[in-house]
Amino acid sequence: RKEVEQDPGPFNVPEGATVAFNCTYSNSASQSFFWYRQDCRKEPKLLMSVYSSGNEDGRFTAQLNRASQYISLLIRDSKLSDSATYLCVVNSQNKFYFGSGTKLNVKP
Amino acid sequence: DADVTQTPRNRITKTGKRIMLECSQTKGHDRMYWYRQDPGLGLRLIYYSFDVKDINKGEISDGYSVSRQAQAKFSLSLESAIPNQTALYFCATSDPRQGDEQFFGPGTRLTVL
Repeated sequence: RKEVEQDPGPFNVPEGATVAFNCTYSNSASQSFFWYRQDCRKEPKLLMSVYSSGNEDGRFTAQLNRASQYISLLIRDSKLSDSATYLCVVNSQNKFYFGSGTKLNVKP
Repeated sequence: DADVTQTPRNRITKTGKRIMLECSQTKGHDRMYWYRQDPGLGLRLIYYSFDVKDINKGEISDGYSVSRQAQAKFSLSLESAIPNQTALYFCATSDPRQGDEQFFGPGTRLTVL
């Protein structure tokens, strides 16, 4: 079983739509959680950390559910520039485990 | 200037050749990592180092070795390259005192023929 699992998509949405991604992780002792964004053939960059209480950064909201071992990312009012692959990342015992990514295409 | 740099950016080599990928950082972070990325598999950890005297194997270390020459430098070697090591390789750094965000280099695209 993979440490971190994500739906690969693609999610094809119109501009202005709200879209949500989920990610599940297998190690209940995982310590910290992140969403990264990766543009085609570029390096991943941190989008946001995910806290137990949930957190919001502009149009982006991240949630953590430790009981069910999943994290989510909600993007409101999608922009064309949001088109990218979103990687779920989990830190377990000082090692980072990456999901395979969810591809988002925002269409005009 | 970029905080994390990798050289070379692209490399094509033949089976059996020895290859070294270099990573340098100016962020002052103690922790450094090497990952490979394959289509549909996400990033997988090859090796990581928490300081100059610390080297640890990741998920997929077979066929690879590393050297931490200084705090700022962490190199990855393929002693005898094989075609299934064709991938995109990323170096990253982090500092747990700063939220543990990972900062990635631009990547090295390696093709083994």
